[in-house]
Formats: sequence, structure tokens, C-alpha cells
Amino acid sequence: EVQLVESGGGLVQPGGSLRLSCAASGFTVSSNYMSWVRQAPGKGLEWVSVIYSGGSTYYADSVKGRFTISRDNSKNTLYLQMNSLRAEDTAVYYCARVGITMIVVARHYYFDYWGQGTLVTVSS
Amino acid sequence: DIQMTQSPSSLSASVGDRVTITCRASQSISSYLNWYQQKPGKAPKLLIYAASSLQSGVPSRFSGSGSGTDFTLTISSLQPEDFATYYCQQSYSTQGTFGQGTKLEIK
Repeated sequence: EVQLVESGGGLVQPGGSLRLSCAASGFTVSSNYMSWVRQAPGKGLEWVSVIYSGGSTYYADSVKGRFTISRDNSKNTLYLQMNSLRAEDTAVYYCARVGITMIVVARHYYFDYWGQGTLVTVSS
Repeated sequence: DIQMTQSPSSLSASVGDRVTITCRASQSISSYLNWYQQKPGKAPKLLIYAASSLQSGVPSRFSGSGSGTDFTLTISSLQPEDFATYYCQQSYSTQGTFGQGTKLEIK
């Protein structure tokens, strides 16, 4: 059974740092694309970052230069290092596995498994 | 960046109703469109991928259609457990933008 369990959220002051973890079971993190998606209180979903199986990483403009996505293959765990945190980074952060399906010649990507989320609050 | 716009933002309906939610992309995204359902306090759940492919385990009353810039999610006969917020998401670009959500409420 596929499971994703996030941890590491909490209260942090503006300008501070936090590292989120996402422990996976039932599949191998390093063989999949993995993403972080966040949701500010009462708001919609916002894609944050992705790491490809080959190691390439991409970020939303809103977090580029401040957040770093990574993984530990030995622990089968995904991470999000968040630096220079701002009030607008306050959100529930979800990790998600990226599923991939080939239809004709097109590769379609989607988030097929999600963790339960971890709340990050940036406030003084 | 590709912008995704859903309509309506909220919708009231009754059990048994047929409901349609629309999602429009700011540029053509072919069929790179996914739909998710989210209930309060829970993670989103994948319903439809590639515009019209039903995710395994999702009831057949859910269906998706469209290509290019205009897409729809249809629930053929609303059930009590379907009252939730629905999001579309484009997977055409690496930054997989979501729509703002459509909250489906009980009339």
C-alpha cells in the first residue's frame, strides 16, 4: 500500500527556516517524480516544487531561491528545505507522488497519491 | 505562466442532480488536464487525468471532457459524499497550475 507521511511543520518567525519531510512506503521515491503542493488557510492549491527521478528540480516562482527540494534514497524520504520564510508561506504543505501514463505518444502527469499534510505557520 | 479559471466558484445542488463544472486554460493545453476532489481537512483525491481518463476506484458517475482550452467535469447523479471542493490542474507545463476551486454545496 502506498503511503506518504509528512512531518516537520510548525510555527516559525519571518525570515526563519524549516525542513519538511515526507516518508514514503509502498514505492520507491527515487524511481518516481515527487512534488510538494501547498494550501494557504481557506485558499486553493498551489504547486510548489517537483523533483524528477533523474534528479532535476523545478520551483514555483514564489519560492525559487528560497526553497530546496531533495530526497534521501536510503530513507525513501522526500524533503523541502524552506529558508527566508514569509507570512505568505503559511500553508498546509502536502507531498504528492507524480503518476505518469502514456496515452498514444503523450506522457500525462498527475498527483495520484498525497500525504495528509503538515501545517507551516510563519508569524512573529 | 498558464492560468486556470474554474466556473462557477460555488454551486448549490441536490442529491441526484447532474452537475457540470468548467475549467478554462489561458492557452491551449491539449488534454493535459486533471481533476481533484478535496473534502475539508483532507488531502485532495485524483478523480480524472488526461482530461477524460477515470482514476482507478473512482465511481463512474464522474466524467471529464474537453481539450485545448475548455474542459468540463460532470457528475451524473450527485451522491451525499460528492459535496466537496473540486480543482482542475494543468500538467502541460512543469509548473502545474491549479484552478481556484469550485465548492459544491448541498441545496
